[in-house]
Amino acid sequence: AQSVTQPDIHITVSEGASLELRCNYSYGATPYLFWYVQSPGQGLQLLLKYFSGDTLVQGIKGFEAEFKRSQSSFNLRKPSVHWSDAAEYFCAVGREYGNKLVFGAGTILRVKS
Amino acid sequence: DTAVSQTPKYLVTQMGNDKSIKCEQNLGHDTMYWYKQDSKKFLKIMFSYNNKELIINETVPNRFSPKSPDKAHLNLHINSLELGDSAVYFCASSQDTVDTQYFGPGTRLTVL
Repeated sequence: AQSVTQPDIHITVSEGASLELRCNYSYGATPYLFWYVQSPGQGLQLLLKYFSGDTLVQGIKGFEAEFKRSQSSFNLRKPSVHWSDAAEYFCAVGREYGNKLVFGAGTILRVKS
Repeated sequence: DTAVSQTPKYLVTQMGNDKSIKCEQNLGHDTMYWYKQDSKKFLKIMFSYNNKELIINETVPNRFSPKSPDKAHLNLHINSLELGDSAVYFCASSQDTVDTQYFGPGTRLTVL
């Protein structure tokens, strides 16, 4: 069965600093991988996705993620964080029958000025 | 031009009541989903419908009954509400059963 681990529950970074959020997955074949962001009281917004091809994917708001099959990872990065990036970030894996998404527990990002 | 919409946004009710949450998507997608986000923010799929047919039922109590009157709508009816049903319920849709899912704004259900 699929599973997703986000090892960091909370991360605090200074505005302007770089960011990396970790995501590890467990899946037998090549998975579909996603990062979603949830601002307080809001729904989930898709940041980026990986289905196949180039393992470095670009998303919205200046985010990117790299799929590393050997490490079963799909870490999210941003070179310079803005205060508006403070939110909770969810990594998810799909591709099971019915397109079920399995989510990680989320990482809360705090941005200090 | 909302893509996936849910009503109501907030729902507060007493234990034992029956309530419904509605979901509509205007993306022309043929697959829709319900997810539950618990108090720890953990998201788990409940149901998936493709072309109005149930394809995922993820061991959800039968007090929960999804209904899809057409491809653009997937409603969630909950009977005999319990305290543990308090959560945020998200609707999502995708073009087909292997495509990206787009989420609605969520419905925060509080059972007193």
